[in-house]
Amino acid sequence: QKEVEQNSGPLSVPEGAIASLNCTYSDRVSQSFFWYRQYSGKSPELIMSIYSNGDKEDGRFTAQLNKASQYVSLLIRDSQPSDSATYLCAVRYSSASKIIFGSGTRLSIRP
Amino acid sequence: GAGVSQSPSNKVTEKGKDVELRCDPISGHTALYWYRQSLGQGLEFLIYFQGNSAPDKSGLPSDRFSAERTGGSVSTLTIQRTQQEDSAVYLCASSYRASGSYTDTQYFGPGTRLTVL
Repeated sequence: QKEVEQNSGPLSVPEGAIASLNCTYSDRVSQSFFWYRQYSGKSPELIMSIYSNGDKEDGRFTAQLNKASQYVSLLIRDSQPSDSATYLCAVRYSSASKIIFGSGTRLSIRP
Repeated sequence: GAGVSQSPSNKVTEKGKDVELRCDPISGHTALYWYRQSLGQGLEFLIYFQGNSAPDKSGLPSDRFSAERTGGSVSTLTIQRTQQEDSAVYLCASSYRASGSYTDTQYFGPGTRLTVL
């Protein structure tokens, strides 16, 4: 059974600080990794995708992938109250396969 | 351009009835996914269509669930003899995936909230 694991939270971070969200996955043969943000009552929206080991930066967001450790993370710099949401990690295990989601981490940015 | 649309937005049904949920993907998108999300939970994979390939039905929870995609576009998820545990938000997503590619972006529809009384 291929799995994607996340800490459910809630993770509380003060405004302006760095929020760090973590995700582990069970299958070494994984190719694509995604972070989605989901506001309450809304559909998920893609924040970042990463396919190679290392860091990928986009504005205040940095995705980090370590395939040897089967670990992917999302860093949010200068956290804003509008970043308060549930963050979903998702993994595709091969080019032909479905995308599996973790259960999400609820992030709360406190003013 | 238009995004992924789903209908109905809300559906209330009685236990034992059949329901059909519809998804209109973004035009030209080759891949279509159905997920289910219960309150406060993550997304549970149900079924995946990619081009003309046989769908991946490995996430369908029982034989009461089925889905089809006609003409490579619109998809319908059918739940027969609904049960109370089927109550959830059903989300559809589509993406453009070239053959053999693993880089694509899923765009989600607004979902259908199903309530089984």
